[in-house]
Amino acid sequence: DTGVSQDPRHKITKRGQNVTFRCDPISEHNRLYWYRQTLGQGPEFLTYFQNEAQLEKSRLLSDRFSAERPKGSFSTLEIQRTEQGDSAMYLCASSGLAGSSYNEQFFGPGTRLTVL
Amino acid sequence: AQSVTQLDSHVSVSEGTPVLLRCNYSSSYSPSLFWYVQHPNKGLQLLLKYTSAATLVKGINGFEAEFKKSETSFHLTKPSAHMSDAAEYFCVVRTRAQKLVFGQGTRLTINP
Repeated sequence: DTGVSQDPRHKITKRGQNVTFRCDPISEHNRLYWYRQTLGQGPEFLTYFQNEAQLEKSRLLSDRFSAERPKGSFSTLEIQRTEQGDSAMYLCASSGLAGSSYNEQFFGPGTRLTVL
Repeated sequence: AQSVTQLDSHVSVSEGTPVLLRCNYSSSYSPSLFWYVQHPNKGLQLLLKYTSAATLVKGINGFEAEFKKSETSFHLTKPSAHMSDAAEYFCVVRTRAQKLVFGQGTRLTINP
């Protein structure tokens, strides 16, 4: 399977703990996106990378959130001092460059975070 | 700013009858529009896309959508619903910065 993969699929943590999620994009894709989806809502943009550069961050991404894509391949999203309001599905997507013939975003299965 | 509004949070149809999921968009320039589907416990899957070519767009699984600039609409249709179509459907607009802006979603239920 050469699609977008995410790990773990589920994470249960206690409030105040740190968590880290990983996303592996489709190998030839330069862009990688993170979205968050809360129950009953559509996904909301968090941040995106072009290669290893983080080009934009949403206001939703508080100081407790940090994302990296160190070698322009996989990406990690870390949440420090988790709060119950962080409970959501965290989705990763990847695409080719804007204007290319393959710039649609393909999504991974998501990581469901539950903060107790 | 670009946005989409899905006019129905829940649509219920009988198997074999037509499906209509409604979406209006707001954009200051010619938009790129998408429909994604999300089955329970599965990832988002691209159904179809409009990127300023033909206004009638055909997607996977028999779905179609028509871009109507005069009505700022991009409704999703299917002539005959199948039980496997039951899912959450999202209308999406892509910004110039390539971010996706999702609607609130429409839950499609198929009655046997």
